Amino acid sequence: DTGVSQDPRHKITKRGQNVTFRCDPISEHNRLYWYRQTLGQGPEFLTYFQNEAQLEKSRLLSDRFSAERPKGSFSTLEIQRTEQGDSAMYLCASSLLLGGETQYFGPGTRLLVL
Amino acid sequence: AQTVTQSQPEMSVQEAETVTLSCTYDTSENNYYLFWYKQPPSRQMILVIRQEAYKQQNATENRFSVNFQKAAKSFSLKISDSQLGDTAMYFCASLGGGADGLTFGKGTHLIIQP
Repeated sequence: DTGVSQDPRHKITKRGQNVTFRCDPISEHNRLYWYRQTLGQGPEFLTYFQNEAQLEKSRLLSDRFSAERPKGSFSTLEIQRTEQGDSAMYLCASSLLLGGETQYFGPGTRLLVL
Repeated sequence: AQTVTQSQPEMSVQEAETVTLSCTYDTSENNYYLFWYKQPPSRQMILVIRQEAYKQQNATENRFSVNFQKAAKSFSLKISDSQLGDTAMYFCASLGGGADGLTFGKGTHLIIQP
């Protein structure tokens, strides 16, 4: 059973650059979530998809952030014009509709903006 | 809006002891779910235990059990016969019936001493 995978695991970028992260959910899961976790804090919800539809976006998701799930399988999260405050761990999770609402998390992508 | 509060930033116990981690929450939903997740150092978030709010019986998973007090909005985690591998950050989280994102507490850093 393959779990949630994320790529890359680590990313260092300079302020102002664009970055893109990928998440591959558990294969039969139709819901996919993105979270951001800063040091010493719990994860904060950013957005979620059911199949290819983006159903909810947090106020934390500024205009510089965009997420897609074009075929209802993998998802990408892009951050444009990165800022030092974007430095965080970006977590992806997936769940199965009517599967008891349990979300399974990937290993995360750690972003450092210099 | 949902809120989750974990009032113990750090706890330390000896191996084989029993430890209880506290969590309180606030929600306006009638149908919701509660979770405890474990995040070992530099490793991914894994589910420890989940509880559906409509179920009165407390959930149990091997050495892990919860004390769910719905009226008090309390959801504590008890770890029996603690093991060195239980050392991790523990996050309490809630999920509303509308299947939006998880709301996490700030976490409790649990240290199991040999």
